[in-house]
Amino acid sequence: EPEVTQTPSHQVTQMGQEVILRCVPISNHLYFYWYRQILGQKVEFLVSFYNNEISEKSEIFDDQFSVERPDGSNFTLKIRSTKLEDSAMYFCASSSGTGPSPLHFGNGTRLTVT
Amino acid sequence: GQQLNQSPQSMFIQEGEDVSMNCTSSSIFNTWLWYKQDPGEGPVLLIALYKAGELTSNGRLTAQFGITRKDSFLNISASIPSDVGIYFCAGRGSNYKLTFGKGTLLTVNP
Repeated sequence: EPEVTQTPSHQVTQMGQEVILRCVPISNHLYFYWYRQILGQKVEFLVSFYNNEISEKSEIFDDQFSVERPDGSNFTLKIRSTKLEDSAMYFCASSSGTGPSPLHFGNGTRLTVT
Repeated sequence: GQQLNQSPQSMFIQEGEDVSMNCTSSSIFNTWLWYKQDPGEGPVLLIALYKAGELTSNGRLTAQFGITRKDSFLNISASIPSDVGIYFCAGRGSNYKLTFGKGTLLTVNP
């Protein structure tokens, strides 16, 4: 069964550094998402992306964050200058459409900011 | 913003028992989804619900989309040890965003 893949599985970075989290969504999906889960808390929406542009973003997704689909398969999340509170699991998800199309999640990237 | 209340927060049950958990929303959703998350992994879709009143089963799991479109429940029958994990409800309104509940941690004692 097709799946969403994310790399790396764990990223350790120093405060102030830039990180890029990578995702390969399911190949025929058109809608892409990033979610974040701080340890022990619920999964929180960051951003959705369709047709090469952001369709919706949360208040968490400030100017430090950006997303890109650099080619036909990858979907990336960049954090420009990481802060300690950015430490979390970051999940990529994709869906074939909106509305009744469920999201399928990757296994996440654990980001640790020291 | 949309708020989801999921309960209970945690459950400790004996193998073979049935389990029920539910979510209520402050606003109407068009889609309800139930996910399970194992430690260190991403949420895995269990059941998707698309119409008010819909009752859907997936093996020992049954979920319903409430008539008011503001609630949903998930039942697990005859629990087994591998049912252990965190169960999340998630709802989607008319926009792209999926809002998650805070999760129910299920522990099954063999």
